Amino acid sequence: NAGVMQNPRHLVRRRGQEARLRCSPMKGHSHVYWYRQLPEEGLKFMVYLQKENIIDESGMPKERFSAEFPKEGPSILRIQQVVRGDSAAYFCASSPLAEGNEQFFGPGTRLTVL
Amino acid sequence: AQSVTQLDSQVPVFEEAPVELRCNYSSSVSVYLFWYVQYPNQGLQLLLKYLSGSTLVKSINGFEAEFNKSQTSFHLRKPSVHISDTAEYFCAVSRGGSQGNLIFGKGTKLSVKP
Repeated sequence: NAGVMQNPRHLVRRRGQEARLRCSPMKGHSHVYWYRQLPEEGLKFMVYLQKENIIDESGMPKERFSAEFPKEGPSILRIQQVVRGDSAAYFCASSPLAEGNEQFFGPGTRLTVL
Repeated sequence: AQSVTQLDSQVPVFEEAPVELRCNYSSSVSVYLFWYVQYPNQGLQLLLKYLSGSTLVKSINGFEAEFNKSQTSFHLRKPSVHISDTAEYFCAVSRGGSQGNLIFGKGTKLSVKP
């Protein structure tokens, strides 16, 4: 059973470009979470999705950021018109529909905005 | 709302010495508690978790943590550390009894010296 997959592992964008980060959850997992890790900071929750539904997006910036988890395919975190402050590591986690909320993390995508 | 405090940002210790990484949380509802470990440039790996039952939980590599409800703590301990334990450790909490996001502390960097 493959773990949570994220790609790309490293992404470089210039200011104003778009960044698309992809996450494939573990097989059988129907819950996906996105977190952002800034230097010297812990992980901050961004958004929680189930297939075709956004359950909680209270951690998402109001503008430029969006997320989806379609019926088929990976979850996508999209950042439009990136700025230098968006440079961070973005982690995806998945969990099964089960008590305990154990989340399994992917290796992360490290976004650098030039 | 829940919050997590990791009091020590860095903990240097010598090999084979004991170590304790402190974690305190605040919450008005029941919680699940987790410790994750992050090696350089990697994602987070679950080290151990407390959901219910015995307040002392153990990992396969010698770490243990004790849930103390009265002190709202979940400190991580190991009686004898190895060089390979050098990593960053994150304490996290989620709302008990439901699916939802994790709230992380800022992390503690454990540095084991020979």
